[in-house]
Amino acid sequence: GENVEQHPSTLSVQEGDSAVIKCTYSDSASNYFPWYKQELGKGPQLIIDIRSNVGEKKDQRIAVTLNKTAKHFSLHITETQPEDSAVYFCAASNPSNYGGSQGNLIFGKGTKLSVKP
Amino acid sequence: EAQVTQNPRYLITVTGKKLTVTCSQNMNHEYMSWYRQDPGLGLRQIYYSMNVEVTDKGDVPEGYKVSRKEKRNFPLILESPSPNQTSLYFCASSPYQRYEQYFGPGTRLTVT
Repeated sequence: GENVEQHPSTLSVQEGDSAVIKCTYSDSASNYFPWYKQELGKGPQLIIDIRSNVGEKKDQRIAVTLNKTAKHFSLHITETQPEDSAVYFCAASNPSNYGGSQGNLIFGKGTKLSVKP
Repeated sequence: EAQVTQNPRYLITVTGKKLTVTCSQNMNHEYMSWYRQDPGLGLRQIYYSMNVEVTDKGDVPEGYKVSRKEKRNFPLILESPSPNQTSLYFCASSPYQRYEQYFGPGTRLTVT
């Protein structure tokens, strides 16, 4: 089955700097890669996702890149702000396997991002 | 307001005492799922449901049961809780399996 590795487990940056979180996956059939942000005391919330027919997607200060050949994808946050401090999870799935276990999300172990003012 | 609700939010119980954590969504979503979150292990899926009366095991189903009698509700049942089930539990729902999942606020369970 799918296995998702996420690095680093903790990341500390100064406000205004960029932050990059990297994930690798094992199943070449995976083609959907979302990123979730979990603030303290809350459930995870989707912040951006990418599908395998594109290599990069941006939404304001957040971008995700995908390298299908190398089976890795990354989250980039520019001009970080204290409110970006949270735990970030990457995930992978194969939604075309509808109803099967491959259609479920497999999450990385998470990255705790701290943005220092 | 569109949301996923879980109850209780916090629960301390003893080994072997049956408990149920409720989950309800008001978005008419077909897909629902339960996860547990443990330090250093991330989110692991316990059970999922594609629709009413359709449930299946996730990656860590041992010691848990679920039911999906109504579209909006997906309770998680621990028939005989053990200390290794101490964890933070999240329920999530999605229009279909392949779309964005909406997570509840979490239930912190401690089994002594």
